[in-house]
Amino acid sequence: DTEVTQTPKHLVMGMTNKKSLKCEQHMGHRAMYWYKQKAKKPPELMFVYSYEKLSINESVPSRFSPECPNSSLLNLHLHALQPEDSALYLCASSQLDGFGEPLHFGNGTRLTVT
Amino acid sequence: GENVEQHPSTLSVQEGDSAVIKCTYSDSASNYFPWYKQELGKGPQLIIDIRSNVGEKKDQRIAVTLNKTAKHFSLHITETQPEDSAVYFCAASKAGYSSASKIIFGSGTRLSIRP
Repeated sequence: DTEVTQTPKHLVMGMTNKKSLKCEQHMGHRAMYWYKQKAKKPPELMFVYSYEKLSINESVPSRFSPECPNSSLLNLHLHALQPEDSALYLCASSQLDGFGEPLHFGNGTRLTVT
Repeated sequence: GENVEQHPSTLSVQEGDSAVIKCTYSDSASNYFPWYKQELGKGPQLIIDIRSNVGEKKDQRIAVTLNKTAKHFSLHITETQPEDSAVYFCAASKAGYSSASKIIFGSGTRLSIRP
């Protein structure tokens, strides 16, 4: 089983809804990531938090809002999404910051926007 | 920026045979090359990685080779088993913590093991 836990596993939301995705890790990792994965494609980086501070935003639309309440938790707040935002949203963590480190992925939240 | 090409996109091998997946990268400054396995309904899981100061690394049935001069690296799976069926992603990154250093994934290889 993965050591990065994501909830919910599945989410269906309308374009006017507000929802949040949650991610938790208890490995003491100092960096946490949000990735988006479309079907049959590799993961695409969205956000990176290092020591609870947002360090990278890959020009993600403002309808996606990340939050890192503490070193173990990472949230992704969703508002006014579009159908093309439907995808698998993956959370990951790494022991140290810097990209030359192994990523530990959760099993993702399958999001469908109707 | 970095670009990683991965081949083949699909691969079917008989159980017990070997499978090889190849990747090339463009940025000579890349120095970290992980391989991830993604099973249906799950997130990618690291199976092996190699750094640029090493030419080969092995872990039981899995091995990775790196040719820095040619800028390519390969995953070798020997004695394949049904549980090896999955999508495999190669990736490349470099030291640092900016968008320029981020991990770039290959396009993925769907490996199927025939019984």
